[in-house]
Amino acid sequence: GPKVLQIPSHQIIDMGQMVTLNCDPVSNHLYFYWYKQILGQQMEFLVNFYNGKVMEKSKLFKDQFSVERPDGSYFTLKIQPTALEDSAVYFCASSTQGASAETLYFGSGTRLTVL
Amino acid sequence: AQKVTQTQTSISVVEKTTVTMDCVYETRDSSYFLFWYKQTASGEIVFLIRQDSYKKENATVGHYSLNFQKPKSSIGLIITATQIEDSAVYFCAMREGSSNTNKVVFGTGTRLQVLP
Repeated sequence: GPKVLQIPSHQIIDMGQMVTLNCDPVSNHLYFYWYKQILGQQMEFLVNFYNGKVMEKSKLFKDQFSVERPDGSYFTLKIQPTALEDSAVYFCASSTQGASAETLYFGSGTRLTVL
Repeated sequence: AQKVTQTQTSISVVEKTTVTMDCVYETRDSSYFLFWYKQTASGEIVFLIRQDSYKKENATVGHYSLNFQKPKSSIGLIITATQIEDSAVYFCAMREGSSNTNKVVFGTGTRLQVLP
């Protein structure tokens, strides 16, 4: 089936540094999402993105977070500066259309460890 | 606000039996979409099955089926003839349809262990 690729699979950084998580969504998908999962718990919605804009974001999407997809390349989540509580697995997802409730396709996640 | 609740944190069954995982949801929308996803031990998240709120017939895909009880805001997942490889964490999720949102909200998950 369709694949969403996330790079890297694991990232370790020092607190206060900047980190960029990369997502290569399914090629014909138009909606993109980031979710945060701590210690195998519930997946928490962070943000969704369409047509170059943030459509919705949750309270977890702090001011230090930003997303973009320059020129149809990777869909990225940038955290600057990072904090200890940002340690989690971040999942990227994409779908063809939002309003018609298409299935989300998830990447394998990036495990972020902030020291 | 939309909310999804899975009260069962962990279930163990013997293989080849049937298991039901519970999920209840809250929404003010008259139209919504319900999903079940599976997260394997490797962390991979896979879509399993979906139910649209306007459909009365329970969805079925392979050995997965749903028990949709709209008056109770309940969408249970039924796995028949369970296999060892069905061991995973199962997440229930919902997307509201009529409001201007594309957000999918997940429950806390139910860990299923299928024993030989």
